[in-house]
Amino acid sequence: GQQVMQIPQYQHVQEGEDFTTYCNSSTTLSNIQWYKQRPGGHPVFLIQLVKSGEVKKQKRLTFQFGEAKKNSSLHITATQTTDVGTYFCAGYSSGSRLTFGEGTQLTVNP
Amino acid sequence: KAGVTQTPRYLIKTRGQQVTLSCSPISGHRSVSWYQQTPGQGLQFLFEYFSETQRNKGNFPGRFSGRQFSNSRSEMNVSTLELGDSALYLCASSWRRGQNLASTDTQYFGPGTRLTVL
Repeated sequence: GQQVMQIPQYQHVQEGEDFTTYCNSSTTLSNIQWYKQRPGGHPVFLIQLVKSGEVKKQKRLTFQFGEAKKNSSLHITATQTTDVGTYFCAGYSSGSRLTFGEGTQLTVNP
Repeated sequence: KAGVTQTPRYLIKTRGQQVTLSCSPISGHRSVSWYQQTPGQGLQFLFEYFSETQRNKGNFPGRFSGRQFSNSRSEMNVSTLELGDSALYLCASSWRRGQNLASTDTQYFGPGTRLTVL
């Protein structure tokens, strides 16, 4: 079945440093979604990427979808303490279902 | 528009008991999915319901079951609880556009039910 792998599992950064999490799928994806879960909270939708090579930005967050539509990344520039949480990617393949990666837990030291 | 609600928020049970969790999706959403979340295990898919029919099922034992009602509200049941069932159970609803499996919609998660099995 479809597998979505995400690395790293944990990332500790100093406030102001950049952060990147990577997502890789065993199959070609129709689209990929990113979610953020704050400590003690529930996952909240951030963005969806659909096109090959697509790049989208949300303020300090940059999302990319690979040319082969099998990988994606989320990059945060100049992290802030408000960025703390676990970031999940979720990939969808036609005929399958949405599959979540294991998440990257980000901690930011002030 | 009210968000996804889940009841109860917290639950403590003992091994061997059974439990029923409830989820009310966002008004108008017809698809409800259930996930189990444990530390270090990410979001493990349990099942998805659309228009009262189970559309997808994850790799969980038959002790885990669910159903969806005509108003799209959903319940999941876990029978013969085991210690390893302790987890946060999340429900997510989405506006599934018909039954087109070529695309998927944003998942709106509820706050979850924290189940502790003693």
